[in-house]
Amino acid sequence: DVKVTQSSRYLVKRTGEKVFLECVQDMDHENMFWYRQDPGLGLRLIYFSYDVKMKEKGDIPEGYSVSREKKERFSLILESASTNQTSMYLCASSWRYEQYFGPGTRLTVT
Amino acid sequence: AQSVAQPEDQVNVAEGNPLTVKCTYSVSGNPYLFWYVQYPNRGLQFLLKYITGDNLVKGSYGFEAEFNKSQTSFHLKKPSALVSDSALYFCAVRDEDSNYQLIWGAGTKLIIKP
Repeated sequence: DVKVTQSSRYLVKRTGEKVFLECVQDMDHENMFWYRQDPGLGLRLIYFSYDVKMKEKGDIPEGYSVSREKKERFSLILESASTNQTSMYLCASSWRYEQYFGPGTRLTVT
Repeated sequence: AQSVAQPEDQVNVAEGNPLTVKCTYSVSGNPYLFWYVQYPNRGLQFLLKYITGDNLVKGSYGFEAEFNKSQTSFHLKKPSALVSDSALYFCAVRDEDSNYQLIWGAGTKLIIKP
């Protein structure tokens, strides 16, 4: 079974803090994704990566950056957290078709 | 532009009755279609996909979906609902010629009442 893990299930940070969300997959997948999920808006893609050190912006990259130094690990960075970044963050990986998701990190910025 | 619509925010079904969760899509080329389920405070789980071939695809937990090209729909169905099917369901689409990015519907909350 594919396993995607995320470093935290719940996280509370203060406005202006730098926040790191880590994601690790164990299936040697080429592609990895970061989404945020908000009620009524579905999933919105923040960034995705199709190879080590390669990344592409998704629909809502503003305020976020990513890092992929190793194939299995994809990090999402909030350079200066703001209250409007309070959300559920989901990481996923894929090879060809379907994406496999981690359990999510519920981030609250106060 | 690619898009996915799930026209119902919520669907209520009595246990034992058949259920349908609707999805329509718009892509420029041939679609790859997916259904996912999300249980409370969990990540998304893959249910089934249509890539090519038979229009009726079967997936996990007894769910199936029918690809209808003329109506650009991919409705999720189950013959007999269980209370444990209560969850949030997402439809997603990708054009076969696009990169790996999926376009997601807003989600439909399915409530199965005993």
